[in-house]
Amino acid sequence: DTAVSQTPKYLVTQMGNDKSIKCEQNLGHDTMYWYKQDSKKFLKIMFSYNNKELIINETVPNRFSPKSPDKAHLNLHINSLELGDSAVYFCASSQESGRGYTFGSGTRLTVV
Amino acid sequence: GESVGLHLPTLSVQEGDNSIINCAYSNSASDYFIWYKQESGKGPQFIIDIRSNMDKRQGQRVTVLLNKTVKHLSLQIAATQPGDSAVYFCAENRPGGGADGLTFGKGTHLIIQP
Repeated sequence: DTAVSQTPKYLVTQMGNDKSIKCEQNLGHDTMYWYKQDSKKFLKIMFSYNNKELIINETVPNRFSPKSPDKAHLNLHINSLELGDSAVYFCASSQESGRGYTFGSGTRLTVV
Repeated sequence: GESVGLHLPTLSVQEGDNSIINCAYSNSASDYFIWYKQESGKGPQFIIDIRSNMDKRQGQRVTVLLNKTVKHLSLQIAATQPGDSAVYFCAENRPGGGADGLTFGKGTHLIIQP
C-alpha cells in the first residue's frame, strides 16, 4: 500500500478555473503538509495541518485553501488558477515530532 | 522540459567513486536534519536523518556529517551506482515539532558517469 498517495498525478487546466488535489496517508501520522516545487526544483512549504488545525500558512495566496475532512486526508483547493500556479505540488505527512516525514509522488499542475 | 531554467549545482562522479554532497543550513536552532533523494518524476525519498546532538550517522552506503559550528551538513555516498543519479536535498526541522514543516536547501544534481 502506498503510504502517502495524491491524485491526480497530472492536471492541466485553463486560467480562472477552480481545481482540487487530493491527498491521503495511511501511516497514522499526526501532521500533513502541502509543498510546492517550482521549475528550479525549489521545495517550499505551503501548509501544515495538525489535529485539524492549520498550523502555518507561508505567504500563500488565499486562492489556495487546504481542507482536512479527517486526520488521514488533506486536500488542496485552488480557486481562480493563474499561470504562475503551474508547478509540482507534493503532499507529505509526519509524526508530531517531525520524524517519519514521508512525501507523496506529486501532482504536476499546468495552467494554460 | 524540466531542464529549461534549471540551475541546480551539479556534481558529476564516476561510477564506483565516492560522492560528497554539501549543504549549508540557515537556522542555528534547528534540531533535526534529513537528506532526501528525488528522482525524475517522483517525490522526495528519505535517505538518512540526524539529530543535532550527533555529529555523524551512518546508513547503508551513506553517511551524514553535521557541523553545528558552521551550520554545515554533508552526505557521503560510497561506491556510487547509476541508480544514485538524482537530485539530493538537505532539509532542516525547526524545534517545536514537525508542525512547522521542513525547510529545504536548493538541491544538488548528482550525475553518475559510466
